[in-house]
Amino acid sequence: QQQVKQSPQSLIVQKGGISIINCAYENTAFDYFPWYQQFPGKGPALLIAIRPDVSEKKEGRFTISFNKSAKQFSLHIMDSQPGDSATYFCAASIPSGTASKLTFGTGTRLQVTL
Amino acid sequence: NAGVTQTPKFQVLKTGQSMTLQCAQDMNHNSMYWYRQDPGMGLRLIYYSASEGTTDKGEVPNGYNVSRLNKREFSLRLESAAPSQTSVYFCASSEWSSYNSPLHFGNGTRLTVT
Repeated sequence: QQQVKQSPQSLIVQKGGISIINCAYENTAFDYFPWYQQFPGKGPALLIAIRPDVSEKKEGRFTISFNKSAKQFSLHIMDSQPGDSATYFCAASIPSGTASKLTFGTGTRLQVTL
Repeated sequence: NAGVTQTPKFQVLKTGQSMTLQCAQDMNHNSMYWYRQDPGMGLRLIYYSASEGTTDKGEVPNGYNVSRLNKREFSLRLESAAPSQTSVYFCASSEWSSYNSPLHFGNGTRLTVT
């Protein structure tokens, strides 16, 4: 059962453009929503994260927008650069237990062209 | 600081063979995790260890066993490998035993079972 649905599967954006990746979740118990960035041959690395008590979080060129009523959140990459070419995963976790048990989306492969 | 180190990087097994994937972190983190990554399925949690001395099942534990050897090391064992276990395996750690503690991933072990 896929609890976090991510789209699109792949995305091609020109340098300087805006990249937008969307995620939707079903479980309203989710309380923490991080995005991870993965380069080929490497493990994922935390990019940015948000809690549902805020609607937007910005870190440099990366912004998470969160819509609690629609159960959706998205990653916006402004002024996309070739170095942003990577696979991006959204994720979510529930505030229970004693570990960071993330449920990941299926990933979006972003290619930024010159 | 090496972060999270996984060995081996690549492995080919025949059906029915066994092997142990090794993972060590040098960040003094409390929690450790094993994920598998398959095309189109994102990352799925196999097992985790919230703290030294404890282990728990994740989303896809069947066919695997784990050992939290000490605070630094967390191994994953395949007792009788099956082609369905062909995947890229990632070990991760988190500083706190909390649902919103960022995960730090190793660079993965690519396993092929023939």
